[in-house]
Amino acid sequence: NAGVTQTPKFRILKIGQSMTLQCAQDMNHNYMYWYRQDPGMGLKLIYYSVGAGITDKGEVPNGYNVSRSTTEDFPLRLELAAPSQTSVYFCASSHKGSGANVLTFGAGSRLTVL
Amino acid sequence: GEDVEQSLFLSVREGDSSVINCTYTDSSSTYLYWYKQEPGAGLQLLTYIFSNMDMKQDQRLTVLLNKKDKHLSLRIADTQTGDSAIYFCAESILRAGGYQKVTFGIGTKLQVIP
Repeated sequence: NAGVTQTPKFRILKIGQSMTLQCAQDMNHNYMYWYRQDPGMGLKLIYYSVGAGITDKGEVPNGYNVSRSTTEDFPLRLELAAPSQTSVYFCASSHKGSGANVLTFGAGSRLTVL
Repeated sequence: GEDVEQSLFLSVREGDSSVINCTYTDSSSTYLYWYKQEPGAGLQLLTYIFSNMDMKQDQRLTVLLNKKDKHLSLRIADTQTGDSAIYFCAESILRAGGYQKVTFGIGTKLQVIP
């Protein structure tokens, strides 16, 4: 049981390049999320998904796209990288239930755009 | 809207108690959470409390919830150097379709001095 796996751990991009951050979970969780973390700013929600085929915008979706074709995978796409997208990105997942919404996080992907 | 606030920094001596405070704005929160983030890692759940409870204790951790003042605190007894980390307060609010939206604070960095 690996939990939430993110790849790559580190990446340097040039302005205007594109890339996809991969996220996979093996806990059969319905909900999946992408956050970015900037120093002193906490976590900002980029996109989330409540199930396969369903995605919705979070607080800071501009410049990103997501898809959820399977329960396990939730990739985050950056189409035209900008320096403002330099950040640490976290994928998370949680189980749909009647109790607390406990998120399981991946280890993070550090992206630098130069 | 939902807003969660916490101070940025706390320094304590090893063996003392640490108290990390958090305030939130939405009175319809269903659960309140504390997550811990160690350097270079993702967030991990420490504990959570249902909104109709006043207190929850789990070994060295005590969570106090004052719903009237919308104030949550995390007390760590006998603080150890291994407790040095960033601590995030979070709340969840029930949305349409049974989805519990989670909002995080900016995190409090706890420094434990040997």
